[in-house]
Amino acid sequence: DIQMTQSPSTLSASVGDRVTITCRASQSISSWLAWYQQKPGKAPKLLIYKASSLESGVPSRFSGSGSGTEFTLTISSLQPDDFATYYCQQYNSYSGITFGPGTKVDIK
Amino acid sequence: EVQLVESGGGLVQPGGSLRLSCAASGFTFSSYWMSWVRQAPGKGLEWVANIKQDGSEKYYVDSVKGRFTISRDNAKNSLYLQMNSLRAEDTAVYYCARDPGGALKRTDYFDYWGQGTLVTVSS
Repeated sequence: DIQMTQSPSTLSASVGDRVTITCRASQSISSWLAWYQQKPGKAPKLLIYKASSLESGVPSRFSGSGSGTEFTLTISSLQPDDFATYYCQQYNSYSGITFGPGTKVDIK
Repeated sequence: EVQLVESGGGLVQPGGSLRLSCAASGFTFSSYWMSWVRQAPGKGLEWVANIKQDGSEKYYVDSVKGRFTISRDNAKNSLYLQMNSLRAEDTAVYYCARDPGGALKRTDYFDYWGQGTLVTVSS
């Protein structure tokens, strides 16, 4: 199975900050990576797929990059609505679909 | 508007059974792979199972193989998860989710999610 890790696990930031979250895969997954945002008590929301493709309707301050085993999600200027937990998810192989453990972005 | 509405969660004793349902609307349900994803309280997301458009292919995470069965009824625009031999570690919010690949392919990520239904396994 492909294991996913994320860093940091928690990130404290202020409105307007540039924020970067890293996701690593235990083996190469090419660009088969998605990012989701989840707020407390709500379902996850798709932000990015295929490592860098922005889902329709998602603000352009969100961007994704990377390939192989290392990926990043960047929020160019953090907005009040962006305080949430972010998950990466690999979908490379049929050893299964796996998510990272999440990164909580909270208010500094 | 795409909507996915789960139901059927509740409190069940260890070893018991439960059947979850997901009612889909706002899209051609029969054209999409569908999945169940769960989230234990305060924990991360775990993909549980998925099913092909016509039900001919089904895949499961190892921890539920032999205990859970995913199915669908395209005439009723509904997805199901039959859960047997439930364990405490199955306690979670269960989400149904759509794979955006449509009729052409399976993509294995998820563009629409329901609001979830809570399953609690406890004596």
